[in-house]
Amino acid sequence: AQSVTQPDIHITVSEGASLELRCNYSYGATPYLFWYVQSPGQGLQLLLKYFSGDTLVQGIKGFEAEFKRSQSSFNLRKPSVHWSDAAEYFCAVVNSGGGADGLTFGKGTHLIIQP
Amino acid sequence: DTAVSQTPKYLVTQMGNDKSIKCEQNLGHDTMYWYKQDSKKFLKIMFSYNNKELIINETVPNRFSPKSPDKAHLNLHINSLELGDSAVYFCASSHTKGTTGELFFGEGSRLTVL
Repeated sequence: AQSVTQPDIHITVSEGASLELRCNYSYGATPYLFWYVQSPGQGLQLLLKYFSGDTLVQGIKGFEAEFKRSQSSFNLRKPSVHWSDAAEYFCAVVNSGGGADGLTFGKGTHLIIQP
Repeated sequence: DTAVSQTPKYLVTQMGNDKSIKCEQNLGHDTMYWYKQDSKKFLKIMFSYNNKELIINETVPNRFSPKSPDKAHLNLHINSLELGDSAVYFCASSHTKGTTGELFFGEGSRLTVL
């Protein structure tokens, strides 16, 4: 069965510093991968997604992620974080049945921005 | 226009009561889902419906009963509420044909059982 691991429960970054959030997946075939962000009290918003092709994908809010098949990773990056980036970040993989089977999510990484 | 809307946003109730959460999507999607987010922010799928047909029914107590009157609506009814049911419940929708499974989420319904 597919699974997603986000090794870091909390990450603290200074405003203006670069950010990398880690995500590892377990999946039998070529995965469809996603990063979602959840601001406090809000629902989940899609940041970016990877299906195939270019392994570096660009998303909204200045985020990007790189798919590395050899490492089974899909890490999220941002060159310079803003205080408004403080939120919960979830990596997800589509379930192997596809179709209506939904997504499997990692346990999330809580991002704290220091002034 | 809100794409996926859930009501109510907050729900506080006593143990043993029955409550419902409603969800509607105006995206024309054919699949809808309920996810539960626990106090540690872990998201777990509960149900999915495709064109009003139940597709996924994860290991969820049968006190939880989803109902889909049409493909734009998926409601969640919970009987005999227990303390452990306290969580945030998210509705989501997606296309299932020729797509990659991207989900669109509502803002969540925070259920507190006292």
